[in-house]
Amino acid sequence: KQEVTQIPAALSVPEGENLVLNCSFTDSAIYNLQWFRQDPGKGLTSLLLIQSSQREQTSGRLNASLDKSSGRSTLYIAASQPGDSATYLCAVSRGNQFYFGTGTSLTVIP
Amino acid sequence: SAVISQKPSRDICQRGTSLTIQCQVDSQVTMMFWYRQQPGQSLTLIATANQGSEATYESGFVIDKFPISRPNLTFSTLTVSNMSPEDSSIYLCSVEPGQGNGYTFGSGTRLTVV
Repeated sequence: KQEVTQIPAALSVPEGENLVLNCSFTDSAIYNLQWFRQDPGKGLTSLLLIQSSQREQTSGRLNASLDKSSGRSTLYIAASQPGDSATYLCAVSRGNQFYFGTGTSLTVIP
Repeated sequence: SAVISQKPSRDICQRGTSLTIQCQVDSQVTMMFWYRQQPGQSLTLIATANQGSEATYESGFVIDKFPISRPNLTFSTLTVSNMSPEDSSIYLCSVEPGQGNGYTFGSGTRLTVV
């Protein structure tokens, strides 16, 4: 069974700092990897989707990479802002099944 | 990508009652997924709903507790039946990925059972 792990579980950084969130998965036979943001008590907002044939995707200050062979993905956030404070989840999918990591809770301090 | 309207956004319910959560999609989709997120935990898939057939439930979830309807290709409901405080969670619906669009989620329903 696919297991998805996110490290660190929580992260606190000063505003303006660049940061990296990590996601690892045990089964490299995936179709897609997706990064989401979740604000307290709310649903999920999709940030970036990386298909299995891709290595990275970029959107604004966000860059996500995927290394299937090592079972890892990273989400890079440049010039962090207080509005980036949220929980970040990665999810891997294969067919109709997909699996979520436990998330990284990010706090950006003004 | 698809846009999902989910309601209610939150509710506080009495023990023993039932709550029905609705998800409306702005385009036709074959499969819809229902998830639960218990406090402090990640998402857990409850069931997959296909139009015209019975939902497929994951281990640990049963139809009597979480009946699902899928009357057409744009709408689905999840009912949380005979609720107990342990059912207090965020419930989310999701739709199958389009071509290169990734999964889309509803805004979630925050349920508190007292």
